[in-house]
Amino acid sequence: DTGVSQDPRHKITKRGQNVTFRCDPISEHNRLYWYRQTLGQGPEFLTYFQNEAQLEKSRLLSDRFSAERPKGSFSTLEIQRTEQGDSAMYLCASSRRGVDRETEAFFGQGTRLTVV
Amino acid sequence: KQEVTQIPAALSVPEGENLVLNCSFTDSAIYNLQWFRQDPGKGLTSLLLIQSSQREQTSGRLNASLDKSSGRSTLYIAASQPGDSATYLCAVRRGSTLGRLYFGRGTQLTVWP
Repeated sequence: DTGVSQDPRHKITKRGQNVTFRCDPISEHNRLYWYRQTLGQGPEFLTYFQNEAQLEKSRLLSDRFSAERPKGSFSTLEIQRTEQGDSAMYLCASSRRGVDRETEAFFGQGTRLTVV
Repeated sequence: KQEVTQIPAALSVPEGENLVLNCSFTDSAIYNLQWFRQDPGKGLTSLLLIQSSQREQTSGRLNASLDKSSGRSTLYIAASQPGDSATYLCAVRRGSTLGRLYFGRGTQLTVWP
């Protein structure tokens, strides 16, 4: 088990371009989360999946953002028509939801997005 | 809406000191609380998880306590070391079916030799 893996680690893109990030969770974890973090702030929730079902989306997730987890394993987060305000660290986390409890959340190293 | 506040925002101490980081939350109906460490430009590393039925958890030099009724948690770091320098984040989960974590802004800790 190598932990939560995110790719790429860094992405620089021009305003208006589309970008896609990938997250590979810990293999036995059925829950996968996306958060966004800007400088000096705590992470803000974007969305999460249980298996392949997207159970909750934040109002922060505008129409330009879409996330998928097609087979209940890895997930992708796409941002269309990027804006400078999208510049942030995008963090992925995973956990296991059992019958009566949820394990602690483990985070990846993040993808740093810079929109120029 | 759950609001999480961490005090102080920054802390600078000499090596060897024992210190306490504070976290407060507005809605006491939480499922669990988790403390994380974040190094500059990196992801989050889980330190301790406290379930709502627990009062404290310990790992090495770290001890976290939880008082649900008052909406508070503290992270105690014993015998601080320069390697402890990082930002410490507190996060709460409201319910087992509500997956999201609500984070504070963190406490930036500097331990100098």
